[in-house]
Parts: sequence; structure tokens; C-alpha cells
Amino acid sequence: QKEVEQDPGPLSVPEGAIVSLNCTYSNSAFQYFMWYRQYSRKGPELLMYTYSSGNKEDGRFTAQVDKSSKYISLFIRDSQPSDSATYLCAMSANSGAGSYQLTFGKGTKLSVIP
Amino acid sequence: SQTIHQWPATLVQPVGSPLSLECTVEGTSNPNLYWYRQAAGRGLQLLFYSVGIGQISSEVPQNLSASRPQDRQFILSSKKLLLSDSGFYLCAWEAPVGGETQYFGPGTRLLVL
Repeated sequence: QKEVEQDPGPLSVPEGAIVSLNCTYSNSAFQYFMWYRQYSRKGPELLMYTYSSGNKEDGRFTAQVDKSSKYISLFIRDSQPSDSATYLCAMSANSGAGSYQLTFGKGTKLSVIP
Repeated sequence: SQTIHQWPATLVQPVGSPLSLECTVEGTSNPNLYWYRQAAGRGLQLLFYSVGIGQISSEVPQNLSASRPQDRQFILSSKKLLLSDSGFYLCAWEAPVGGETQYFGPGTRLLVL
């Protein structure tokens, strides 16, 4: 079993739709959870970061973490064509050497159609 | 604010040639630094990380090496490139204390022919 599972898509939705992106994980040591957005041929950009179970909102984006089920989600409300990108989930635990190594999902490619 | 730079942006190299990719960070001190490779369909693969000058940890055995000659400079090198070294190389930084997230640079696209 892979440590982090993420459906690669592609996912295609009409403009204005609510988008739900999900990841599951198996390592209960993960403490911090992130979502990155990556446009084509660009570096990943940190979108959301949380460390506790529950919801965190930032504008049209909501990150949800359920540690008991080892499941995280990213919701995008009123999706826009500019949201078309690959979304990567990432998780980290203290590696014990002064760094927090991230484990990434493979990314879900999202297209928002005008 | 912190900024991370990578160069070159794109590189086309013949098999067997050497490689040097550079990453620099501005606006922070003593960051943890990371090199990743991203290949289509394979996600992000951690190659090296460094928690200080001269301190390099390798995650994957390969013909690549990394060095950190200065606090905010991280270099990825190879003496002889292979076809399989083609990919998108990303550098990332993380705050040394309380830094549970990483911030990525713009990346270098390497094509080995």
C-alpha cells in the first residue's frame, strides 16, 4: 500500500461547479497536511496548510482533514477557468533530523471549462 | 519576504555530458533545502536534502550529487548524464524551526538526448 493515494483524474468540471479533491494516507505519524497547486511547467505553489482535524477556509478554498479516517480533501467553490491546474496533496512528519520531509500524492489534474 | 530562484529554466544536454543546476534562496537564514525530480506520471521524487552547509542527505542512489557551499545555495550536479535523468527538477526551502511546509522554486526542465 502506498503511503499517500490520490486519484490522478483528469477531472473536468463546468465553470461555477464545486470541486472535491481527495487523498488517503496510511501513515498515522503524519501531522501536517498541505495542498499545492501546480500550473503547467511551473513549480508547485502552496495553497492550503493545516495540522488539525476539521475544516480550514481561505476564500473559495476549504481544506478538510479527518485523521481518524486518514482522509483529506480540498473543496473549491465557484470554480474558475484559472483554477485549471494539477493539485498535489502532501503530508509531513518530523523526520527526527531537523527536517519535515513531505510525502506527496501524484496529483489530480483539474480542468474548469468556461 | 522569501524568494527562491532556480536556473537555468530549461536545459538540453547530450548523454554523457556534465550537469550543474543551481538554487538560491533569499530572505531567510539557515533554511532546510531540498531537490526533487518530477517525471510524468510518477509524482515528486525526493533526491537530496540539506539542513546546513556541507550537510547532504541522499534519498535515492543515482548518478546525481548535491552540494551546499553556502547557507542559501544548493547545487545539483552530475558528471555524466543518462537519458533517464530527463525531467523537471525542483528546489524547495523550509524554515529551520517550526517549518512544516516547503516552498518551491520555478523549476528547471532538463532534456537529455
